[in-house]
Amino acid sequence: GAGVSQSPSNKVTEKGKDVELRCDPISGHTALYWYRQSLGQGLEFLIYFQGNSAPDKSGLPSDRFSAERTGGSVSTLTIQRTQQEDSAVYLCASSFTGPPYSSYGGYTFGSGTRLTVV
Amino acid sequence: DAKTTQPPSMDCAEGRAANLPCNHSTISGNEYVYWYRQIHSQGPQYIIHGLKNNETNEMASLIITEDRKSSTLILPHATLRDTAVYYCTVTSGTYKYIFGTGTRLKVLA
Repeated sequence: GAGVSQSPSNKVTEKGKDVELRCDPISGHTALYWYRQSLGQGLEFLIYFQGNSAPDKSGLPSDRFSAERTGGSVSTLTIQRTQQEDSAVYLCASSFTGPPYSSYGGYTFGSGTRLTVV
Repeated sequence: DAKTTQPPSMDCAEGRAANLPCNHSTISGNEYVYWYRQIHSQGPQYIIHGLKNNETNEMASLIITEDRKSSTLILPHATLRDTAVYYCTVTSGTYKYIFGTGTRLKVLA
């Protein structure tokens, strides 16, 4: 597609439920990133996928969070047993290459999924 | 990871140049400076990046000091559509941007 597509755009869920957030990156982009942004805060790195390499999961805040990327394209971020502190905008981004300092440009971000846990 | 500091907010008159400063005093030799902006309810948008030379593209200019400890993003003729939060970030040496809370730029008519 022309841009990074995320779905759903908004999700309201009850505390304790599981949620899945989807990211469809730009075709041909090998690197995919998940960030989250709490209200009034900056962006917090969550996880990074590059090609067929093992993902860097070092930013995931707890073991309730997991992500996968199937076929080097679509990615799903799963949050189990959601808590109120998980409420945030979850942003996905993609780029042609991993190390940003060697790329010809930055990431392309999607519009995000606004998750509200009630 | 290098960190950046930016003023929390700035105002600029429409049509004038907006100069957004950023301090990154702990930047290391191979780290680039990147600028993004985030317009309300949208994902961040890449603007420009640089290593040590000044850079210009269709959106903005980036001026990096000789010691690389600070930089300035210049929007030469700000418009109302440039109202956004502007993030200055440096690469961590891998791929994890460390985003702060940015500068909220308000362009005034």
